[in-house]
Parts: sequence; C-alpha cells; structure tokens
Amino acid sequence: GNSVTQMEGPVTLSEEAFLTINCTYTATGYPSLFWYVQYPGEGLQLLLKATKADDKGSNKGFEATYRKETTSFHLEKGSVQVSDSAVYFCALSEGKAAGNKLTFGGGTRVLVKP
Amino acid sequence: GAVVSQHPSRVICKSGTSVKIECRSLDFQATTMFWYRQFPKKSLMLMATSNEGSKATYEQGVEKDKFLINHASLTLSTLTVTSAHPEDSSFYICSASYRGGTGELFFGEGSRLTVL
Repeated sequence: GNSVTQMEGPVTLSEEAFLTINCTYTATGYPSLFWYVQYPGEGLQLLLKATKADDKGSNKGFEATYRKETTSFHLEKGSVQVSDSAVYFCALSEGKAAGNKLTFGGGTRVLVKP
Repeated sequence: GAVVSQHPSRVICKSGTSVKIECRSLDFQATTMFWYRQFPKKSLMLMATSNEGSKATYEQGVEKDKFLINHASLTLSTLTVTSAHPEDSSFYICSASYRGGTGELFFGEGSRLTVL
C-alpha cells in the first residue's frame, strides 16, 4: 500500500533560518504529491503540490521538487518567519482514479522563534 | 475560494450518547467528502469516503455502525458517532472536492470531540 514518511518534529528555528522538512513516499503507481499546512486552530490548507516527476511546487516562499528516483518531496524555505509556525503534512494521492484519497505523513511541527 | 465548514468546532458529551458533526461546502457542490480522524500529535487517518446520494465507503478497521456517515446533499455530509466512549475522543476533520474541479481537496476546520 501507499505510505508517506516525514521527519518527526518539533523543529525549532530562529527567524530567517533555512527550513527543510524531509518527506519520502511509497506508492504503487505515479502519485501526485502535496504539502499541507495546519496553522494553530485552523484546518489544513494546501501549501503546494506536484503532479509528476521533476515538477516543482512553490508557494509563499516554500518549494518542493518531485524526485521519482529518490521517491522524495522535501519541503524547503530559505528564510522562515514567525508566521510559518505550524504543522506541515506531506501527502500523496493516486489521483481521480482512486477517488482523490490522500495518504498523509505523520506531520512535522515547526516553531519559529523571533 | 472553496470553503468547507464544520460544526460544531468543539463538543463534549457523556459516554453512551451520540454526537453528530456536520460538514458543509459553503460555496461549491461537493460530490465527494472525506472524513478523517486525527489523534494527538499524529497524522490524519482516513475513516471513510462519501459520495452524494450513495453509501459511504469505510476504510479497513473503521466500524461503520459506530461512525455513521450521511451525504444527503451536495453541500452537506454528517458524521454521527454513536454510543460514544472516551476512546472516541479525537479531532475529526472533513474534506471535500467539487464536481468539475481539479480534484483538489478543501478541508474543514475540524471538530474536537471529548467524551467524558
């Protein structure tokens, strides 16, 4: 079956530091890959996505590249802000054929200190 | 953008009672809705998939008689936790995708259930 593994948190950083959250996946087909963010007290929001190998998703200064050869989709941001403090989830979907069901990683809590 | 709203956001109930959680798509028609359960400091576990007008499809290990899901209209799905027990205490999240869309899922804010 499908699975997503991401680094455990919490990750504590200072403002303007570089952030990397590792994510690797196992899938039977060619999934789409996602990063979702959950800010305190809010629901999950799509942060970025990539639908095929070598695609790069980007949003709000975050980037992640779909690496088929290493089955990875690591999330990076060059300079974090306090407002980036949240829980980040890596996820995959086999797409419409599978009803858009998402398989989530365990989530990584990120805390950015001023 | 597409907005999904859940109600209530927090509910406390006594053991043995039933609790209903609503998930509404406010500005789009949701052909498919998903219900997830999130344990503390854990990931989201898919419980079931519901399509408007048909029975929900439950994931392995999820008791369909305990977690009743109804998707009676294109804008509303409900999750009823029947005969709740303290171990059912959790954060329940719904998500929805809309007809003719890209397949992107939109998530509700979640509903925290505490069973005493």
